[in-house]
Amino acid sequence: QVQLQESGPGLVKPSETLSLTCTISGGSISGYYWSWIRQPPGKGLEWIGYMYYSGSTSYNPSLKSRVTISVDTSKNQFSLKLSSVTAADTAVYYCAGLTLTGYWYIDLWGRGTLVTVSS
Amino acid sequence: SSELTQDPAVSVALGQTVRITCQGDSLRTYYASWYQQKPGQAPVLVIYGKDNRPSGIPDRFSGSGSGNTASLTIPGAQAEDEADYYCSSRDSSGYHLVFGGGTKLTVL
Repeated sequence: QVQLQESGPGLVKPSETLSLTCTISGGSISGYYWSWIRQPPGKGLEWIGYMYYSGSTSYNPSLKSRVTISVDTSKNQFSLKLSSVTAADTAVYYCAGLTLTGYWYIDLWGRGTLVTVSS
Repeated sequence: SSELTQDPAVSVALGQTVRITCQGDSLRTYYASWYQQKPGQAPVLVIYGKDNRPSGIPDRFSGSGSGNTASLTIPGAQAEDEADYYCSSRDSSGYHLVFGGGTKLTVL
């Protein structure tokens, strides 16, 4: 059974870069398009982007200029970097496995980690 | 703003049927997936594709679509179905994922 676990700082200062890592256990890194989704407190879900282990990526157009998702096949991990953060980036960040077949769906989710942007 | 529109809140009497809808132009081309999220928990996939349920999801959850609208139907809603429900699909470009704003389902 594949499991995901997010890790990283829970507090980031405004204008700095948010960095999170997701560790994949119990499965192959080639099994999914590895994704990040976030959810501001009390609000809805927002897709940030995905990366496949081969290197192909897709990012939310509204975040594209600030986002980088990378995959480390040697560590079975993938990461998120979001630059120039503001209070609006405060959210629970989920790492997830996206399936892109004829349908697009997320059937694998981490538990989420709260990141607060504050000085 | 989301390209997929959902009613913010829906209520249903215990044991009755509820339909949660999701509207968007991309749904004319792509299927929606549906997620259930309970407080403090990660979302859980309940429906994907035409009407597919992942293993472990009760068969009372069903999905359908017509035109620019996708629907999640729960006949005989149970107390444990009270949650936020999100639809998701590809956007109009086909290259990005987008979520609806979510529907809070209350079971009375």
